[in-house]
Amino acid sequence: QLQLQESGPGLVKPSETLSLTCTVSGGSITSKNYYWGWIRQPPGKGLEFIGSIYYSGNTYFNPSLKSRVTISVDTSKNKFSLNLRSVTAADTAVYYCARQRATRDSYFDPWGHGTLVTVSS
Amino acid sequence: QSVLTQPPSTSGTPGQRVTISCSGSSSNIGSNSVSWYQQLPGTAPKLLIYTNNQRPSGVPDRFSGSKSGTSASLAISGLQSEDEADYYCAAWDDSLNGPVFGGGTKLT
Repeated sequence: QLQLQESGPGLVKPSETLSLTCTVSGGSITSKNYYWGWIRQPPGKGLEFIGSIYYSGNTYFNPSLKSRVTISVDTSKNKFSLNLRSVTAADTAVYYCARQRATRDSYFDPWGHGTLVTVSS
Repeated sequence: QSVLTQPPSTSGTPGQRVTISCSGSSSNIGSNSVSWYQQLPGTAPKLLIYTNNQRPSGVPDRFSGSKSGTSASLAISGLQSEDEADYYCAAWDDSLNGPVFGGGTKLT
């Protein structure tokens, strides 16, 4: 059974870089037809797509975050990572990683449990 | 402001049938498939419906999805107390070249 697990600091200072890793188990990150994505949810608010990566390194991002986001993949460790630069309090959210179907018939399944990242000095 | 529009809340009584709407445009729902997610309190979202009306294994057939034009709907029949959750729709957006979500609907 495929499982995803987010990890990383729960507290980041303003203007610094938020870094998270998603470890994939029970399946290979090199599976064809799937991207690996990041989605966030500010406290009490809805879901926001951040970006996704294919095992080959191909990426695409939410235009509103693109200038601050980097997503990378490590196929040898079955992991992919998120870097969000120059964070502010508005970036405080639960961050989820999920597998994403790599077509316009796009959906996310399964999801990690999520990790809360607070931006505060 | 979310790209896909959902009612903020809805309610029902046990055994009742409720529907949740999701309105979009020609660049998203109008030309691509819709998925639905259930988020129980304090947990991660879970895929409920994909490709407009397909249920993953393990999802009860009380849950059904449909799409018409630039709108989609999630129907829940035989409502149960454990269905109390937030529900989100999503679809690929050709203009943004990525997936977009609705703002979510809280079912009480």
